[in-house]
Amino acid sequence: SQQGEEDPQALSIQEGENATMNCSYKTSINNLQWYRQNSGRGLVHLILIRSNEREKHSGRLRVTLDTSKKSSSLLITASRAADTASYFCATAGYSTLTFGKGTMLLVSP
Amino acid sequence: EAGVAQSPRYKIIEKRQSVAFWCNPISGHATLYWYQQILGQGPKLLIQFQNNGVVDDSQLPKDRFSAERLKGVDSTLKIQPAKLEDSAVYLCASSPIAGPSYEQYFGPGTRLTVT
Repeated sequence: SQQGEEDPQALSIQEGENATMNCSYKTSINNLQWYRQNSGRGLVHLILIRSNEREKHSGRLRVTLDTSKKSSSLLITASRAADTASYFCATAGYSTLTFGKGTMLLVSP
Repeated sequence: EAGVAQSPRYKIIEKRQSVAFWCNPISGHATLYWYQQILGQGPKLLIQFQNNGVVDDSQLPKDRFSAERLKGVDSTLKIQPAKLEDSAVYLCASSPIAGPSYEQYFGPGTRLTVT
């Protein structure tokens, strides 16, 4: 079974706007990772946040982790059409990653 | 550096036929993963290798799926016989170090259609 659950399932915004995606999970984790998947570049790792971290930044990406609520959020600022893709959170247990079903993001010019 | 290579990119077969997928990980990556991604879902781990040994194959349907990683480099995933529900994209990924604390590098995938 898949542990991570992303919300919303789909998100449509205009270029320049911010996009926020949420991920909830059920069991304790070692770390949580976000991946992006589009037809052009396949599945690509975006950012990893460890269980003892609360916030992490990478370029236009900001990830937060609240282990007490078992949830994470991914914020993409100043979105671009090229950000159109599916975004997956993946929870890391002892040895493997478990992916959620993803959020489909559409950024319109 | 070259990425993870997979072939074929697309495959259409009839149910009960056999099919094999090939993966060449990034040079020097000790850990190799095979995932199954059904349309509309996230990738599901089928099997994880560390060098040429199996670390986790708990979600591999062993009655019909098999995988091997000879010499700790290339890997093949086989389905025999295929069922309609095996239609999916099969992704190969590699990582330089074992364990989920490191990012995984994914190949382009093989899209399998079983008719």
